[in-house]
Amino acid sequence: TQLLEQSPQFLSIQEGENLTVYCNSSSVFSSLQWYRQEPGEGPVLLVTVVTGGEVKKLKRLTFQFGDARKDSSLHITAAQPGDTGLYLCAGGGGGADGLTFGKGTHLIIQP
Amino acid sequence: NAGVTQTPKFRILKIGQSMTLQCAQDMNHNYMYWYRQDPGMGLKLIYYSVGAGITDKGEVPNGYNVSRSTTEDFPLRLELAAPSQTSVYFCASSYGPGQETQYFGPGTRLLVL
Repeated sequence: TQLLEQSPQFLSIQEGENLTVYCNSSSVFSSLQWYRQEPGEGPVLLVTVVTGGEVKKLKRLTFQFGDARKDSSLHITAAQPGDTGLYLCAGGGGGADGLTFGKGTHLIIQP
Repeated sequence: NAGVTQTPKFRILKIGQSMTLQCAQDMNHNYMYWYRQDPGMGLKLIYYSVGAGITDKGEVPNGYNVSRSTTEDFPLRLELAAPSQTSVYFCASSYGPGQETQYFGPGTRLLVL
């Protein structure tokens, strides 16, 4: 069974600060996705990374896939209250059988 | 497009009752999935389907059944509800497997008492 460990589980910081969320596994994934989920809603895809060492930027969010495709990180610069939510990483094995999700990081950005 | 829709939004069941969670998508996606999300546990795959008439078990299929008679619909059936099935259920669909984006519905919150 492939497992994805996310850290930290909870993070509360002030508006304007920077933060990094980590997603680690002992297994290799063909792709790694990051989703954001708000209360009462389903997850929404932020980014997909597929190549080892790949870096993608989405405005103030920077996503990196580890060289060995076993880990990923999400860095947020100058966090804003609108960034508050549950961030989930999900690994794809390349097959049809869905994604393996981490437990998520609950992020709160205080004004 | 409505995307992925789920009904009902919330349901309370008594132990031993049965119910069907409905899921529909209007994006002509072949791949559909059912996940459950327990507090602090992330999402776990229950069943998935790669097309009409084809379904397969995920990580936690016990106590559930699915069918896929059309491309659009993928209902999830609970036959004998148990307290352990209290959870939030999400249906998702994608154009293809693997790295393809999965589009999630708003979820069904189920409480079994």
